[in-house]
Amino acid sequence: NAGVTQTPKFQVLKTGQSMTLQCAQDMNHEYMSWYRQDPGMGLRLIHYSVGAGITDQGEVPNGYNVSRSTTEDFPLRLLSAAPSQTSVYFCASSRATGFFHTEAFFGQGTRLTVV
Amino acid sequence: EDKVVQSPLSLVVHEGDTVTLNCSYEVTNFRSLLWYKQEKKAPTFLFMLTSSGIEKKSGRLSSILDKKELFSILNITATQTGDSAVYLCAVEYNTDKLIFGTGTRLQVFP
Repeated sequence: NAGVTQTPKFQVLKTGQSMTLQCAQDMNHEYMSWYRQDPGMGLRLIHYSVGAGITDQGEVPNGYNVSRSTTEDFPLRLLSAAPSQTSVYFCASSRATGFFHTEAFFGQGTRLTVV
Repeated sequence: EDKVVQSPLSLVVHEGDTVTLNCSYEVTNFRSLLWYKQEKKAPTFLFMLTSSGIEKKSGRLSSILDKKELFSILNITATQTGDSAVYLCAVEYNTDKLIFGTGTRLQVFP
């Protein structure tokens, strides 16, 4: 079982460049989320999706776009990279239950540096 | 302001010790509290708590929630070096919002 797969594992961008972080899950989970993790800040929710075609903003959505055209994939797009977006990004998926954020399975993370 | 505060920030113990990690929260419309363990990379799920006073247990780890006093504790008994990690607490509130604490870094030495 692959679980949640994120690509790439590492990326260096120049300020102003755009890129897409890929996330795919093979567990048929309805819910998928993107987080960023910064030193001393913990994990912060960027965007999440409760199913194909449905997305919503989390705590820190500015500068990021998402879409969910299939159950399996949930890409995160950086529109114009800024040094403040240097972080480790995690994608997660979970089953639909009575709670939105229940037992989540995380990908291995993408370490992004913006110079 | 909604917030989740974990304490201590860091803890160093010897194998065999028992540790207690704390998570307090102030949120509107609390729904659930989750504990995760993060070693080098991805967090892994430990517990989800929704009701006060009901202990969740998995091996040497256990957790309990107090919705009146707005906190949860995570206990680890007979610690092992493999327990060394950052332990994260997260709270779901207001239907679909989620906020994490900054974590407690636990180091267990032989």
